[in-house]
Amino acid sequence: EDQVTQSPEALRLQEGESSSLNCSYTVSGLRGLFWYRQDPGKGPEFLFTLYSAGEEKEKERLKATLTKKESFLHITAPKPEDSATYLCAVQINYGQNFVFGPGTRLSVLP
Amino acid sequence: DVKVTQSSRYLVKRTGEKVFLECVQDMDHENMFWYRQDPGLGLRLIYFSYDVKMKEKGDIPEGYSVSREKKERFSLILESASTNQTSMYLCASIPGQANYGYTFGSGTRLTVV
Repeated sequence: EDQVTQSPEALRLQEGESSSLNCSYTVSGLRGLFWYRQDPGKGPEFLFTLYSAGEEKEKERLKATLTKKESFLHITAPKPEDSATYLCAVQINYGQNFVFGPGTRLSVLP
Repeated sequence: DVKVTQSSRYLVKRTGEKVFLECVQDMDHENMFWYRQDPGLGLRLIYFSYDVKMKEKGDIPEGYSVSREKKERFSLILESASTNQTSMYLCASIPGQANYGYTFGSGTRLTVV
C-alpha cells in the first residue's frame, strides 16, 4: 500500500533556530515528491517538486532534498511568518493523483 | 494570477440535506480533484476528474458524487448530508501531462448539524 508519513507531528522553534522536517514514503513508483505549505483556514500552497534522488530545491529559508526513501525540508533561521503546516505528497506512477502525508505543524516563536 | 475558486468558505447544513460544493478554475486544467481534510487524518481523496464528464472514485467516495459538465467547473454533491461529513473540503486542479503541484482552492468548511 502506498504510504507517506511525516515527522515530527508538531515542531516548535525559536526564531533563528534551524531544523528539518521529514517525509518518508513507501510507494510503488514515484513520479514526484511535492511540498506544500498550509496556513490555518486556507488551502495548501505549492512550494517544491523533487523528481529524483539527490535533487535539491531552495526558496528563501527553505531547502528541500530527496533520497530514495525520504525527503527533508530544511528551514534555516526561521521567522515567525514561517509558522504553518507543511505537507508532503507523492505522485504515483499510475495516475495524476497524489498521496499526502499528515503534515508537520511548525510554530516559530519570536 | 491563476485561481481555483470555491463558492463558499463556510456552510452549515442539516442532516439529510442535499449539499452542493462548487469549484471553478480559470487555468484550463484538465484534472480536478476533491479532497476532505480532517485533523489527524490529513487529506483524503474523494473524487477526481480527468476531463469533462469523466469521473473517478478516490479513496473515500461513499456518500458523495460529482459532476463535471464544463472543463472549468467541478461540483461535489453530498446526496444526504450526515454529521460525519463535517469537514474541510478542498478542491484542486493540475494540468494534464506535466508534473506540476496542485493549485488548491481556499477550502469550504462544512458543518452538518
